[in-house]
Amino acid sequence: DAKTTQPPSMDCAEGRAANLPCNHSTISGNEYVYWYRQIHSQGPQYIIHGLKNNETNEMASLIITEDRKSSTLILPHATLRDTAVYYCIVIQQYGNKLVFGAGTILRVKS
Amino acid sequence: GAGVSQSPSNKVTEKGKDVELRCDPISGHTALYWYRQSLGQGLEFLIYFQGNSAPDKSGLPSDRFSAERTGGSVSTLTIQRTQQEDSAVYLCASSPSRDRGNEQFFGPGTRLTVL
Repeated sequence: DAKTTQPPSMDCAEGRAANLPCNHSTISGNEYVYWYRQIHSQGPQYIIHGLKNNETNEMASLIITEDRKSSTLILPHATLRDTAVYYCIVIQQYGNKLVFGAGTILRVKS
Repeated sequence: GAGVSQSPSNKVTEKGKDVELRCDPISGHTALYWYRQSLGQGLEFLIYFQGNSAPDKSGLPSDRFSAERTGGSVSTLTIQRTQQEDSAVYLCASSPSRDRGNEQFFGPGTRLTVL
């Protein structure tokens, strides 16, 4: 699976959009981009995934660049409860074995 | 509905003892996974069960680790002759189908401390 690079930490003001970037320049054509988050002392939580089109669900939006070498997870109105470590994972459709890197620590501040 | 549950939530054991960790996946989910997260480390894949297929054991760190899934539902992870380096949070996850295998629902984990 392709390697991902994320900033180690980011801050966001409560109520503002949080934009979390991820670089995956070696992604191959059959690999998807998945995002998970882990709130302190909890198990990881699936957020969203995409192949090449932008995706939106009730939790977030995922923007994937046209060359698919990077993506951005957008939390449109961050709340204090969104403070967590966010993981960007690149994996084949039937990969199943998630590989979690260091992720981005997002701190939402009031 | 009910999520993935794990028991016990905390386990303290002495070096050399065997431990069993239990996972109850979401009802109807066909796949079940075990991961572990050591202090300050990322999540590490251990083993994966999909339906009636042979499990993928490629992440088990040693032959002291084993897991089984009975009746396609509940799973038990067994660690024999525990060592201090086995101290970690052991996380179980399940997914609804093979097509959605990467959408994994995680339990709260079992925190294992080996003294």
